[in-house]
Amino acid sequence: DADVTQTPRNRITKTGKRIMLECSQTKGHDRMYWYRQDPGLGLRLIYYSFDVKDINKGEISDGYSVSRQAQAKFSLSLESAIPNQTALYFCATSAVTGTGGAGANVLTFGAGSRLTVL
Amino acid sequence: DAKTTQPNSMESNEEEPVHLPCNHSTISGTDYIHWYRQLPSQGPEYVIHGLTSNVNNRMASLAIAEDRKSSTLILHRATLRDAAVYYCIVAGTASKLTFGTGTRLQVTL
Repeated sequence: DADVTQTPRNRITKTGKRIMLECSQTKGHDRMYWYRQDPGLGLRLIYYSFDVKDINKGEISDGYSVSRQAQAKFSLSLESAIPNQTALYFCATSAVTGTGGAGANVLTFGAGSRLTVL
Repeated sequence: DAKTTQPNSMESNEEEPVHLPCNHSTISGTDYIHWYRQLPSQGPEYVIHGLTSNVNNRMASLAIAEDRKSSTLILHRATLRDAAVYYCIVAGTASKLTFGTGTRLQVTL
């Protein structure tokens, strides 16, 4: 089984619908992230969480919300989906390493969730 | 976080070494240099990271300039499976890795 599992892998929905993308991990990492990837734009950070009670906005949080239900679970919600939220979404995890501090964190990514909003 | 500059694309022949450059002139003293790659239809995967000294692992080597304003990812013998987008990222203390558009590496026979 994958260390970082995203569901669904593909989803087609209509404008205005509420959508939840789920992420679960078996790595025991404290830190979890949601990224969005659009063609030609690289990956952009949406939200991140350093532990269960910690939620932080990333570069492009407008139109999205998240929930950290447990250490292993981090969900991304689109309350009212719009077509320009059509993208590939990635969940990632990391843990603080014993040496090097936060800047040395290594991310482990899921396989991605492809969302199409019609 | 410091910005990085990478070529949009590079080509290599199979079994030849590949040197992927990255400039990060605004890097600060505590920033780590990370490299990730993204194979087609997959999520990014970690390749290597370093702070000041050159680093080697089973996937690649990372050569960091003495002034740390640039670095080079070295794939010692490129294979077709190394064809991917390679991201150079400079990470600050907030543990947020900002991905740019990377370098698309094409490997040909």
